[in-house]
Amino acid sequence: DSGVTQTPKHLITATGQRVTLRCSPRSGDLSVYWYQQSLDQGLQFLIQYYNGEERAKGNILERFSAQQFPDLHSELNLSSLELGDSALYFCASSVVPDTNTGELFFGEGSRLTVL
Amino acid sequence: DAKTTQPPSMDCAEGRAANLPCNHSTISGNEYVYWYRQIHSQGPQYIIHGLKNNETNEMASLIITEDRKSSTLILPHATLRDTAVYYCIVRVEDTGGFKTIFGAGTRLFVKA
Repeated sequence: DSGVTQTPKHLITATGQRVTLRCSPRSGDLSVYWYQQSLDQGLQFLIQYYNGEERAKGNILERFSAQQFPDLHSELNLSSLELGDSALYFCASSVVPDTNTGELFFGEGSRLTVL
Repeated sequence: DAKTTQPPSMDCAEGRAANLPCNHSTISGNEYVYWYRQIHSQGPQYIIHGLKNNETNEMASLIITEDRKSSTLILPHATLRDTAVYYCIVRVEDTGGFKTIFGAGTRLFVKA
């Protein structure tokens, strides 16, 4: 158990809909990261937050947005869903955000299926 | 883009050492090498990291060449449960700081 909690574990929805994925980081971790992993694809970095502020952006679509709340949990909002958005979405956390050192701790992911 | 290159797949016999190579020829002097693994569709799991000295923990050993352009992750006695995708990562520095970018990794098959 990494200490990172993601909900829901599974989600099935239809094209055009909007969903919210939630992540609770490890106790004491200030930084949260979101990754997307499509079927047979690698892990794509989406976005990173540190203590409520956006820190780095990766390949995140404009239809997607995220935020980190004062209690440090984070939400990833996916809107106008398309079939290609079906994927595993992972959240990770770390104590420090920007340094060269320090490992990431990943949750078990939220599996999104868009029909 | 990832700053490392790894073979796409490797086989290893159960009980034998698994040696997973990684090339990172553009690594800078202060950049660490990290290893993670992902078992099936679970969340990636941190294994080990190092700068220039060899490192060992309860999971694995990391051997980094003197010029730091390559490294090898060693699982000393591989088990069937070590079958996974192993990612070698050197963080990418961006305007917002360092980002952990995953490449394709090496798919390790441990066979009985």
